[in-house]
Amino acid sequence: QVQLVESGGGLVKPGGSLRLSCAASGFTFSDYYMSWIRQAPGKGLEWVSYISSSSSYTNYADSVKGRFTISRDNAKNSLYLQMNSLRAEDTAVYYCARAPVVVVAAEYYFDYWGQGTLVTVSS
Amino acid sequence: SYELTQPPSVSVSPGQTARITCSGDALPKQYAYWYQQKPGQAPVLVIYKDSERPSGIPERFSGSSSGTTVTLTISGVQAEDEADYYCQSADSSGTVVFGGGTKLTVL
Repeated sequence: QVQLVESGGGLVKPGGSLRLSCAASGFTFSDYYMSWIRQAPGKGLEWVSYISSSSSYTNYADSVKGRFTISRDNAKNSLYLQMNSLRAEDTAVYYCARAPVVVVAAEYYFDYWGQGTLVTVSS
Repeated sequence: SYELTQPPSVSVSPGQTARITCSGDALPKQYAYWYQQKPGQAPVLVIYKDSERPSGIPERFSGSSSGTTVTLTISGVQAEDEADYYCQSADSSGTVVFGGGTKLTVL
């Protein structure tokens, strides 16, 4: 069965950095786009970024562009999110999700999600 | 930027039909997707490509589309359906957007 397990969350000061990881299993990781989605405490879902299966294409929400970098290692079945220049408003649970994207058909969605890792940005 | 608009809350009695709407200018050209999220849990995909149901999702969940509005319909609502529901789509550049979410209360 598909499993996505996030790690790397924690407490960080404003302006600091953090790297999130997501370990995938139960499917052929290299066949799928992957994505990060976040949810601030008591708020709704916010898409953060996605990466294509071969890492050739990435896309970011305007709120994180230039500060966050998504990457993946298909040999290790792992997805990453490097977060720099963190702000209080980046405080959220960060979910890793599988994205069966079909660009030519404009299909962008998330069929499996991890349980999330909490990032808290506070002094 | 592209936005999707949902009602903040919908209430329904057990056994009745719940309808949750989602409006967005690009919805006539882009697919919509729906997720269910229960407290403390990760979201679960319940409808994809406007009206398709993933395996394992009960038949009482259905989706439809008309113009700039898509609708998630839950027929014969059960207590276990009480949750937050989010619609999601993407713009022409592939930038993903979520609606603000709708809290479904089963009275």
